Amino acid sequence: RKEVEQDPGPFNVPEGATVAFNCTYSNSASQSFFWYRQDCRKEPKLLMSVYSSGNEDGRFTAQLNRASQYISLLIRDSKLSDSATYLCVAHNAGKSTFGDGTTLTVKP
Amino acid sequence: DAGVTQSPTHLIKTRGQHVTLRCSPISGHKSVSWYQQVLGQGPQFIFQYYEKEERGRGNFPDRFSARQFPNYSSELNVNALLLGDSALYLCASSLDLPPGGVKNIQYFGAGTRLSVL
Repeated sequence: RKEVEQDPGPFNVPEGATVAFNCTYSNSASQSFFWYRQDCRKEPKLLMSVYSSGNEDGRFTAQLNRASQYISLLIRDSKLSDSATYLCVAHNAGKSTFGDGTTLTVKP
Repeated sequence: DAGVTQSPTHLIKTRGQHVTLRCSPISGHKSVSWYQQVLGQGPQFIFQYYEKEERGRGNFPDRFSARQFPNYSSELNVNALLLGDSALYLCASSLDLPPGGVKNIQYFGAGTRLSVL
């Protein structure tokens, strides 16, 4: 079992749809969490940090549930430009563990 | 401002050879991490260095080694290359170490694409 698991998708949604991704992590000592976005053959880029209190950045909302050890990302009003692979990351004591990513395709 | 820069961008080697990949962090960043990413998977953590000391190591064989220089740039070395080492090697820099906070947000370079034939 991988330390960080994500549903690989692909998620194919129409423009304007709301889509949610979940990610689970197995190391309860993980201390910080992030969502990254990776476009095809490009480097990962930070989308947002994830806090227990939840955080929102425009159309994006991230949530952390420590008791259940999962992280979520909600994207509202999907745009064509949101098409990418979304990676969740759990960080602990000098080691960052990435999931394998969830692929999103937003269609006109 | 320059982001994280990696060199070379592409590299072709044969089995058994040695390779050195280079990374220059964002100015002011003291932490550098290395990752290996194969197609269809997320980046796999190899090493993290902070202030020239190794602070984290992933599950990679001893053929992989790294170091960080006084100017915070870093090298990743891989000896005795195998076909399975073919991947995108990513370097990421951050201001500080974890846990939590904006100082340990990692910024990635564009990577070095290594092909082992």
